[in-house]
Amino acid sequence: GEDVEQSLFLSVREGDSSVINCTYTDSSSTYLYWYKQEPGAGLQLLTYIFSNMDMKQDQRLTVLLNKKDKHLSLRIADTQTGDSAIYFCAESGFSSGSARQLTFGSGTQLTVLP
Amino acid sequence: EAGVAQSPRYKIIEKRQSVAFWCNPISGHATLYWYQQILGQGPKLLIQFQNNGVVDDSQLPKDRFSAERLKGVDSTLKIQPAKLEDSAVYLCASSGTSGRVTDTQYFGPGTRLTVL
Repeated sequence: GEDVEQSLFLSVREGDSSVINCTYTDSSSTYLYWYKQEPGAGLQLLTYIFSNMDMKQDQRLTVLLNKKDKHLSLRIADTQTGDSAIYFCAESGFSSGSARQLTFGSGTQLTVLP
Repeated sequence: EAGVAQSPRYKIIEKRQSVAFWCNPISGHATLYWYQQILGQGPKLLIQFQNNGVVDDSQLPKDRFSAERLKGVDSTLKIQPAKLEDSAVYLCASSGTSGRVTDTQYFGPGTRLTVL
């Protein structure tokens, strides 16, 4: 089945840029997503990118997509302590059912040090 | 606008007992999802409803899990009987009227289940 891989941990200093990477296997993915999960909370959609795009920018967030290598990254500029959370990459693809579903990676724990 | 509501927030049961979780989606959202998130992993979809019909339940362990959304609004997920490996956070999400994958899914805070 589809697989989404992420590194587990990332630490950065406040004010630096963070780059979280993700690889996926489903070549039929149409959309790729980044979600943020803070402790004890549900998932919050940060941004998504259509598979025919290679970059999308939204304020401090920049998403880069290399479709040939099936590699997705999320760059957070000027990282703040409030950005500390788990970040999930997700791709849309067809499950064994009839509808497109989201497949999530295991998440990257971002720690922002003062 | 109120978000997705879930209850209870925490539940501790012994194996072989039964448990039920409740979800109230955002008003007007036709699509409702139940996910299982095991510690250290990303959420895994269990079942997806469009109004009161099941769109996909291919990853729901039907020998012990059941879910319903009788009036197309609230939903209940039940586990009977529970196993140790069912310990996880159960997330409910809802999305807008079209059911397309690009519709933003709004997540509730989840129910953390511990099976002893």
